[in-house]
Amino acid sequence: ETGVTQTPRHLVMGMTNKKSLKCEQHLGHNAMYWYKQSAKKPLELMFVYNFKEQTENNSVPSRFSPECPNSSHLFLHLHTLQPEDSALYLCASSQDTAGLYGYTFGSGTRLTVV
Amino acid sequence: DQQVKQNSPSLSVQEGRISILNCDYTNSMFDYFLWYKKYPAEGPTFLISISSIKDKNEDGRFTVFLNKSAKHLSLHIVPSQPGDSAVYFCAAPSSGGSTLGRLYFGRGTQLTVWP
Repeated sequence: ETGVTQTPRHLVMGMTNKKSLKCEQHLGHNAMYWYKQSAKKPLELMFVYNFKEQTENNSVPSRFSPECPNSSHLFLHLHTLQPEDSALYLCASSQDTAGLYGYTFGSGTRLTVV
Repeated sequence: DQQVKQNSPSLSVQEGRISILNCDYTNSMFDYFLWYKKYPAEGPTFLISISSIKDKNEDGRFTVFLNKSAKHLSLHIVPSQPGDSAVYFCAAPSSGGSTLGRLYFGRGTQLTVWP
């Protein structure tokens, strides 16, 4: 148990579907992140939330829409995705956005777009 | 731009021997470094860190060395065990500005420890 829980673990969706990824942490952390890991690529930061406020959108296409209703929950809403969006999507949290204490990652959602 | 680089995508080591994973960085403002370990189908987990005021940090079988003049750090695992087989990521947090809070990751090195 890492303290950061992501659901679902696996997701297969068509290009016209709408789905959501969920992330939950009960570590008392103030910051939450979405990362994307594609095959043979480095971890790509997508979004940063600090105290529920989005502080960074790393040029992510609008077909990915984050939502942070409170500091413990983070969602990633997906619609009209492309096959190249298939990847492992990782949620992480940290005590502060300075990252000095590192991140705690969830186990990820393996997304396949067909 | 890759501010943290891991130039070796893979490393294969025999059980009991030393594993040395290397990491280079370009931003001289980085003052803290972390290593993460990742098994397939799981998120990365924190392994060990080092502050720039030190040149070595040891935790059991894991030791991280930092050479600030060369902007280079390395993770030593000794003795290596089959359970150490995983992808290892080097990371450094942004020190400020508009990217405060970002953790820069290397591409990772796949370590395989064989019996």
